[in-house]
Amino acid sequence: GAVVSQHPSWVICKSGTSVKIECRSLDFQATTMFWYRQFPKQSLMLMATSNEGSKATYEQGVEKDKFLINHASLTLSTLTVTSAHPEDSSFYICSARLIRTGVNSPLHFGNGTRLTVT
Amino acid sequence: SQQGEEDPQALSIQEGENATMNCSYKTSINNLQWYRQNSGRGLVHLILIRSNEREKHSGRLRVTLDTSKKSSSLLITASRAADTASYFCATGGTGAQKLVFGQGTRLTINP
Repeated sequence: GAVVSQHPSWVICKSGTSVKIECRSLDFQATTMFWYRQFPKQSLMLMATSNEGSKATYEQGVEKDKFLINHASLTLSTLTVTSAHPEDSSFYICSARLIRTGVNSPLHFGNGTRLTVT
Repeated sequence: SQQGEEDPQALSIQEGENATMNCSYKTSINNLQWYRQNSGRGLVHLILIRSNEREKHSGRLRVTLDTSKKSSSLLITASRAADTASYFCATGGTGAQKLVFGQGTRLTINP
């Protein structure tokens, strides 16, 4: 149980275009989802907390107009990288926490999306 | 900003040996969690220890937590080649939803 599906697993796009990444909780509902970015051989950097039905909370230094997050349902959150540039190339990972569980509960992660901007 | 510091950054041992990884953090926590990441994949939750717990076991995993030193350790006993991965600690602050991840330890088990 508690499977998170992230799609696509990899994407190559041209500079200036936008890319949408989907994060779905397949067998559970998630009020809260998290989006992370990871550079090679480094840790996960939290970008934003996505709450169903409300605006996302962005971490300091993350441009909300560039990284658009939508959490329209209890099973789907999307991250859109707008006007992508080569420096946006990275590994993006989403995670979700089961609905009605508190902070003392684990996160369930998708398998990540490798974005390459040419 | 990242709160956790992990030590060592990389660890290479022989199959069958025990592997110990350490994590230090800076602020008060509600819980500390350990995750595993295989190369190019997402993270998998291993174990969670609450701030009022000192030790926890799960199969070949043993986690300790010392809140006075703001540190935790993850011990993997009788390591296997399949344990090769990166291991991250993550801390949940009081009342905070989000987790802050440490820098990770890259563990290599040599057959």
